[in-house]
Amino acid sequence: GENVEQHPSTLSVQEGDSAVIKCTYSDSASNYFPWYKQELGKRPQLIIDIRSNVGEKKDQRIAVTLNKTAKHFSLHITETQPEDSAVYFCAASRGGNQFYFGTGTSLTVIP
Amino acid sequence: NAGVTQTPKFRVLKTGQSMTLLCAQDMNHEYMYWYRQDPGMGLRLIHYSVGEGTTAKGEVPDGYNVSRLKKQNFLLGLESAAPSQTSVYFCASSYAGANYGYTFGSGTRLTVV
Repeated sequence: GENVEQHPSTLSVQEGDSAVIKCTYSDSASNYFPWYKQELGKRPQLIIDIRSNVGEKKDQRIAVTLNKTAKHFSLHITETQPEDSAVYFCAASRGGNQFYFGTGTSLTVIP
Repeated sequence: NAGVTQTPKFRVLKTGQSMTLLCAQDMNHEYMYWYRQDPGMGLRLIHYSVGEGTTAKGEVPDGYNVSRLKKQNFLLGLESAAPSQTSVYFCASSYAGANYGYTFGSGTRLTVV
């Protein structure tokens, strides 16, 4: 089955700096890659996703890039703010019944 | 529109006790899932359902059972709780499986002593 690895496991940045989280996947047939944000004690929430026919997608301060050849995708957060502090999960699927999740990145934005 | 609702939110069990976690969704989603979340291990799939009356095993199904008698409800049962089942449990639902993002419930924090 699919194996998704996520790095780094923890990340601290100064407010206003950029943060990048990277995920690699093993199944070349995977074609859908969502990212979830989980604030402390809350449920994971979908923040952005990308499909394999697109190389990059942006939504205000967040963006996701996909490199199908290298089988990796990344989440980019610019101009970070304290409210960006959370655990971020990547996931991959080939359009079947289930996603395969990364192990999460705990992002801390230091004011 | 409540989305995905989980009950209870917190529970403490003694080893060997049984309990049922309830997940209810009002979005008419076909697919429903149960995950457990443990520190450093991300979200691991326990069981899932692709429609009313169906269930299937996920990555870590041992010690759990599920039922989907109604489309809107997905129940997770622990027949004989063990300390290793101490975790946060999340239910999720999806309109079209893993073709679209999940909607998660708010979670159940279970402690087995």
